[in-house]
Amino acid sequence: DAKTTQPPSMDCAEGRAANLPCNHSTISGNEYVYWYRQIHSQGPQYIIHGLKNNETNEMASLIITEDRKSSTLILPHATLRDTAVYYCPRNKFYFGSGTKLNVKP
Amino acid sequence: NAGVTQTPKFQVLKTGQSMTLQCAQDMNHEYMSWYRQDPGMGLRLIHYSVGAGITDQGEVPNGYNVSRSTTEDFPLRLLSAAPSQTSVYFCASRGGPLGTEAFFGQGTRLTVV
Repeated sequence: DAKTTQPPSMDCAEGRAANLPCNHSTISGNEYVYWYRQIHSQGPQYIIHGLKNNETNEMASLIITEDRKSSTLILPHATLRDTAVYYCPRNKFYFGSGTKLNVKP
Repeated sequence: NAGVTQTPKFQVLKTGQSMTLQCAQDMNHEYMSWYRQDPGMGLRLIHYSVGAGITDQGEVPNGYNVSRSTTEDFPLRLLSAAPSQTSVYFCASRGGPLGTEAFFGQGTRLTVV
């Protein structure tokens, strides 16, 4: 059964890059890697997704390893407002527990 | 474009009561799903649907029923509420199997006393 593994929590200093890892070693060849975040108790929001190539948008960058078994979400200059839970869901429906990112002043 | 709309936002139920949480989307999305989120925890999948007339169980389906008679609506029914069902419930929709992101509603905070 496909699954993803994320660290339960991470800390990051304000203004520094936050690098959030996700292991998805059983991902299928045509399945996209997605990242979402949930700020406080709001509904999760989409950040970025990719299939094989690295991707960048106004919010973040996504680095996917060549074998597609892991990825890293990069927030280049973390702010206090980036404190949230970040999810790398294992498929279209299963989100799991995510990583709680704490951005500290 | 309203996106995903959940009603009500807050609800208090007595043990044993039944109720329906409503979820509607106006994006003509095929896929819809329900999650519960307990304090300090992640999202646990209750039920999901890949199209009108098609539903399936997720990780924690016991005590909940769903139906999908239209593309737009995916209601979640609590048959006989229990204190263990106190949680925040999120509904999500997405366009299809590949290359589309999920959109979430703002949640329903349910307390069962």
